Amino acid sequence: SQQGEEDPQALSIQEGENATMNCSYKTSINNLQWYRQNSGRGLVHLILIRSNEREKHSGRLRVTLDTSKKSSSLLITASRAADTASYFCASQYYNTDKLIFGTGTRLQVFP
Amino acid sequence: NAGVTQTPKFQVLKTGQSMTLQCAQDMNHEYMSWYRQDPGMGLRLIHYSVGAGITDQGEVPNGYNVSRSTTEDFPLRLLSAAPSQTSVYFCASSYFQGGGGAFFGQGTRLTVV
Repeated sequence: SQQGEEDPQALSIQEGENATMNCSYKTSINNLQWYRQNSGRGLVHLILIRSNEREKHSGRLRVTLDTSKKSSSLLITASRAADTASYFCASQYYNTDKLIFGTGTRLQVFP
Repeated sequence: NAGVTQTPKFQVLKTGQSMTLQCAQDMNHEYMSWYRQDPGMGLRLIHYSVGAGITDQGEVPNGYNVSRSTTEDFPLRLLSAAPSQTSVYFCASSYFQGGGGAFFGQGTRLTVV
């Protein structure tokens, strides 16, 4: 399978805590992207980090990329109940532009 | 500006029937793709296209056909539906060569009985 993997599969935290999700991928990439999916809805793009970048921030989101380990992490700081959703990483393959998704992390944030 | 529009939203098919899932985007994106989402499996790439007249296979292409005659439309055809094709199908579009993230449609929930 070309599919990447994410861990943990599920994460439950209290409001105000930080949430960290990890992603591994399998081949050389142009970039690594993170998406959010609310239950039963389409995916929404959150942030993109290019293969020559190591860290990127967007609001309460912080993404890191380690191309030597083929891994990335997404940190959501000061989580809110509205952050409850599934989060997916997606690696964009070098040269073909295929976008391959990981298996996702279900985040539950309790008020 | 509608973004990515998928039709229908829900469909029930009998085994062996064929149908076409429609996908249209109005953002002039070169890259379009189809995914299926099954519980515990995340999204798996079925077929993708980098421009009109160009398509290629993804991770799970068997049982599906695509064509790309215009930039805007990227229909997915199920040739002979099977229960294993029961899933939620998502269409996505983006600029080619990593110009940004992908935009997704709201999905088509397909049940094959």
